[in-house]
Amino acid sequence: GENVEQHPSTLSVQEGDSAVIKCTYSDSASNYFPWYKQELGKRPQLIIDIRSNVGEKKDQRIAVTLNKTAKHFSLHITETQPEDSAVYFCAASIGTNAGKSTFGDGTTLTVKP
Amino acid sequence: GAVVSQHPSWVICKSGTSVKIECRSLDFQATTMFWYRQFPKQSLMLMATSNEGSKATYEQGVEKDKFLINHASLTLSTLTVTSAHPEDSSFYICSARDGGGPYEQYFGPGTRLTVT
Repeated sequence: GENVEQHPSTLSVQEGDSAVIKCTYSDSASNYFPWYKQELGKRPQLIIDIRSNVGEKKDQRIAVTLNKTAKHFSLHITETQPEDSAVYFCAASIGTNAGKSTFGDGTTLTVKP
Repeated sequence: GAVVSQHPSWVICKSGTSVKIECRSLDFQATTMFWYRQFPKQSLMLMATSNEGSKATYEQGVEKDKFLINHASLTLSTLTVTSAHPEDSSFYICSARDGGGPYEQYFGPGTRLTVT
């Protein structure tokens, strides 16, 4: 089955700096890669996703890059703000309606004011 | 749009009793729902995939007789934890995929189960 590894497990940055979280996956059939933000005790919220036919996607301060050959994808957050502090999860799935997602272990991001 | 609700949001039960958790898609039809378990400061672990009108597919290591899943309609899936024990205490989250939509899955708010 699919295996997703996520690094780093914790990340602390100063407000205004950039943050990068990286994930690798094992199943070359995976073609949908979402990123979720989860605040304590709350549900994961999709913040950005990318499909395998695209190499990069950007939404304001958030961007995701995908390297299919190397089987890795990354989340980039620029101009970080304290409200960006949360746990971030990457996931990989085969993008059908029945396709289950495999999640990374999560990265706890702390943005210091 | 794309709202998933879960009920109850938290529940405390005694060891040996059963607890039912409901997951509903409020504004879309979900042919597939997923049930996850999350321990503190850990990732989401997929327990099972629930398909409307058919038996759920359980992940390896998940006891199907202990975690009963029923997906009786396109908007409702239930997870019943039978004969609960303290080690079943966890945060249970469901998610649903819009049958007519893209790949995104929408998460419910989660249910905090505490077994005493």
